[in-house]
Amino acid sequence: DVKVTQSSRYLVKRTGEKVFLECVQDMDHENMFWYRQDPGLGLRLIYFSYDVKMKEKGDIPEGYSVSREKKERFSLILESASTNQTSMYLCASSLKDRGFDYGYTFGSGTRLTVV
Amino acid sequence: GQQVMQIPQYQHVQEGEDFTTYCNSSTTLSNIQWYKQRPGGHPVFLIQLVKSGEVKKQKRLTFQFGEAKKNSSLHITATQTTDVGTYFCALYSSASKIIFGSGTRLSIRP
Repeated sequence: DVKVTQSSRYLVKRTGEKVFLECVQDMDHENMFWYRQDPGLGLRLIYFSYDVKMKEKGDIPEGYSVSREKKERFSLILESASTNQTSMYLCASSLKDRGFDYGYTFGSGTRLTVV
Repeated sequence: GQQVMQIPQYQHVQEGEDFTTYCNSSTTLSNIQWYKQRPGGHPVFLIQLVKSGEVKKQKRLTFQFGEAKKNSSLHITATQTTDVGTYFCALYSSASKIIFGSGTRLSIRP
C-alpha cells in the first residue's frame, strides 16, 4: 500500500520556535507538495518540489522554507513560528507528468498549534 | 491564474436524498479532478475528467465534465452516511501543480 507519511499528527510549539514538519513517501514520486488547510480557506499551496534539491514557491510561501535532500523526503520549515501559522499542514506527492492521471496522494496531516 | 469556483459551500441532506456539487471556471480547463475528505481525514483522489462532455461513474457517484470544459459536477445518488465529508474539485494548472476549489461540505441526517 503506497504511503505518504507525516512525522507528527499533532504538534504544539511556542511562538518564535523553529519548526520542522517532515514528510516521507514510498512511491518513488518526483513531485512533492506542502499545503495548509484552514476553515473557509480551503487548501493553499505553500511550496512544492519537482526533484531533489529543487523547490518552487506556491501561493503562500511567506514565513516558510523547504528542504528536499532526498527524493522521498520533503521537509517544511517554519523559521520562526507565529500564531497565524496554527493550521493543518498536508503533504502530498504525485508522479511527474502523470500526476494529473492519478492525482495527488496525501499524508494524514499535521495539526500544528502555535502558542 | 486559473481559478475554480465551487458551489454550494455546504449541503445538508436527508439520508437517501441526492446531492450535487458544481465547479465552474471562467477559462477552459484541460482537466478536472475530484477529491473527497472525510471529517478529520485527508483528501483522497476520486477521479479525473479530461474529455469534453465526459461522464464517469463510480457506484452511486456520477462525475461530469461540461461540453465547453468550463464546468464540472459530482452527483451522488441516494446518499448514505458514509458519503459525509468535503468534496473538492481541482484543476491541473501547470507543471504538475493542482489548484483546489474551496470544497462542498456534505452532512447527512440519518
